[in-house]
Amino acid sequence: EIVMTQSPATLSVSPGERVTLSCRASQSVSSNLAWYQQKPGQAPRLLIYGASSRATGFPARFSGSGSGTEFTLTISSLQSEDFAVYYCQQYESWPLTFGGGTTVEIK
Amino acid sequence: EVQLVESGGGLIQPGGSLRLSCAASGFTFSSFAMSWVRQAPGRGLEWVSSIRAPGDKSYYADSVKGRFTLSKDNSKNTLYLQMNFLRAEDTAVYYCAKANSGFYVDYWGLGALVTVSS
Repeated sequence: EIVMTQSPATLSVSPGERVTLSCRASQSVSSNLAWYQQKPGQAPRLLIYGASSRATGFPARFSGSGSGTEFTLTISSLQSEDFAVYYCQQYESWPLTFGGGTTVEIK
Repeated sequence: EVQLVESGGGLIQPGGSLRLSCAASGFTFSSFAMSWVRQAPGRGLEWVSSIRAPGDKSYYADSVKGRFTLSKDNSKNTLYLQMNFLRAEDTAVYYCAKANSGFYVDYWGLGALVTVSS
């Protein structure tokens, strides 16, 4: 099983700041990596797929990068609506696995 | 517009059975794989099971293998998750999920709460 590790667990950020979230895989997942955003009481939403392709509906301030075992989600200038939990998921091999999530909270 | 509507959740005693359904619309159901992902209260996301587009092969997390069965009725645009021998640790919101190429989820349902408790 591929273990996905996200860091940090919690990030306290002020609006307008640049944010970088990390996701590490225990073995290579190539570019088969997705990111999801989940707000309280809501279902998750696809944010990034293929490690760097942005899903419909998300603005350009969100970007994903990386391949192999190291991945990054960057929010260039955090807006109030971006405070949420972010999860990475690998779909390179079975079982599919998620990271534990990073909570982005207001500082 | 893609819509995924789960039903069948509720309170069930340990050892009991429950069947979740997911009614899909807004896309060609027979052309896409589907998945279930669950989230225990206050916890992260956990993949449960996926099924290929034709419904001919399913995959399961070790935690549910042998107890859960996933099926797909392409004539009814409906996904089913039969859950047997339920345990307290199966308590979670279960999300129906449309998979895109490679089994990442591009659309999620609102979720169905399953509570396993005596």
